[in-house]
Amino acid sequence: RKEVEQDPGPFNVPEGATVAFNCTYSNSASQSFFWYRQDCRKEPKLLMSVYSSGNEDGRFTAQLNRASQYISLLIRDSKLSDSATYLCVVNMARGSNYQLIWGAGTKLIIKP
Amino acid sequence: GAGVSQSPSNKVTEKGKDVELRCDPISGHTALYWYRQSLGQGLEFLIYFQGNSAPDKSGLPSDRFSAERTGGSVSTLTIQRTQQEDSAVYLCASSLNVRGSSGNTIYFGEGSWLTVV
Repeated sequence: RKEVEQDPGPFNVPEGATVAFNCTYSNSASQSFFWYRQDCRKEPKLLMSVYSSGNEDGRFTAQLNRASQYISLLIRDSKLSDSATYLCVVNMARGSNYQLIWGAGTKLIIKP
Repeated sequence: GAGVSQSPSNKVTEKGKDVELRCDPISGHTALYWYRQSLGQGLEFLIYFQGNSAPDKSGLPSDRFSAERTGGSVSTLTIQRTQQEDSAVYLCASSLNVRGSSGNTIYFGEGSWLTVV
């Protein structure tokens, strides 16, 4: 089992719809969580951090469920420009250190 | 600097040659990471530095790959005797530190696109 798992997709979603995807992680001692967005042939860029209480940034809502060990990303009123691969990142304990563990990404395609 | 800077941005090299890729992290960032990404694939972790030391080198694919960081700043990734399967984009990233929830947002450079022919 991978330490951080995402559904690779692609999720094909009509413009204006709401879409959500999850990311599960294996280590309960994980400390911090992030969603990144990566466009084709570009570097990943931070979309939002994920806080324990859940957080919202415009059309994007991120939530953390520690009991079930997953984070989620919800996109409302999706735009064509939201088409990208969404990567989750977990700062996970590894012995006495922490290491950022990346999911393989979920591909999202917004269709007109 | 304002962002993570990588050079060269593009490199085409002949099979068997050595290449050196450079990363200049954001000023003050103590943690530095190297990743590799082949087209259409996920990020492959290579190595990370905390200061000048590399606690985890397990991601380096073979002994042809090495990395160093000096002065807690610039890092170089060296690939010796390049092979065609080394063709990928090599991404460098940095963060304030590894521990601590507030400091470990990581920022990526634009990558070094390596093609081995």
